[in-house]
Amino acid sequence: GESVGLHLPTLSVQEGDNSIINCAYSNSASDYFIWYKQESGKGPQFIIDIRSNMDKRQGQRVTVLLNKTVKHLSLQIAATQPGDSAVYFCAEDSQTGANSKLTFGKGITLSVRP
Amino acid sequence: EPEVTQTPSHQVTQMGQEVILRCVPISNHLYFYWYRQILGQKVEFLVSFYNNEISEKSEIFDDQFSVERPDGSNFTLKIRSTKLEDSAMYFCASSPRTGREKLFFGSGTQLSVL
Repeated sequence: GESVGLHLPTLSVQEGDNSIINCAYSNSASDYFIWYKQESGKGPQFIIDIRSNMDKRQGQRVTVLLNKTVKHLSLQIAATQPGDSAVYFCAEDSQTGANSKLTFGKGITLSVRP
Repeated sequence: EPEVTQTPSHQVTQMGQEVILRCVPISNHLYFYWYRQILGQKVEFLVSFYNNEISEKSEIFDDQFSVERPDGSNFTLKIRSTKLEDSAMYFCASSPRTGREKLFFGSGTQLSVL
């Protein structure tokens, strides 16, 4: 069946180091991918997205890489800060119509050590 | 930055009772969504709504659920007769033009059914 999953449940990094969060997806028809961050008591917050016609997209301190050959998505956070501590979700959208229908992965907790 | 607001933040109800969860999407947005997250599990799609009608709904969104945009500002989710398994965090989301771009999520309503 279709699924979007994260490889690791938790990730602990030293402040200032780079973080890499990985995600695998199985629906080859998915053409739009998003990373969300969820802090305690809040809703998912958009970080960055990428469409399937791209391999890489950069934002402020974040980069998303898409490898369609192996159906793999990663989020790289440069110079990780304590404020980056949160649960991170990857999500895919395989809808062909105008409305979205996101399938979320389970979530990985990023913990930043001071 | 504009926000999606949800009320109440917590709702406790008895099994079999009706609940209405309220959301105010961002004012110029056209697409509206409800998602839910059972504790420790993935965020799951419930329903999408556009032009005053449901665009798509998941298997979870059975006859006990309904959505409404009563006054052009609020967007509500009603659960007619709550069950224990309806206990979850319910997130409202909206997007501006099409659904195939980033969704803005509210902070959620934690529903506890006793």
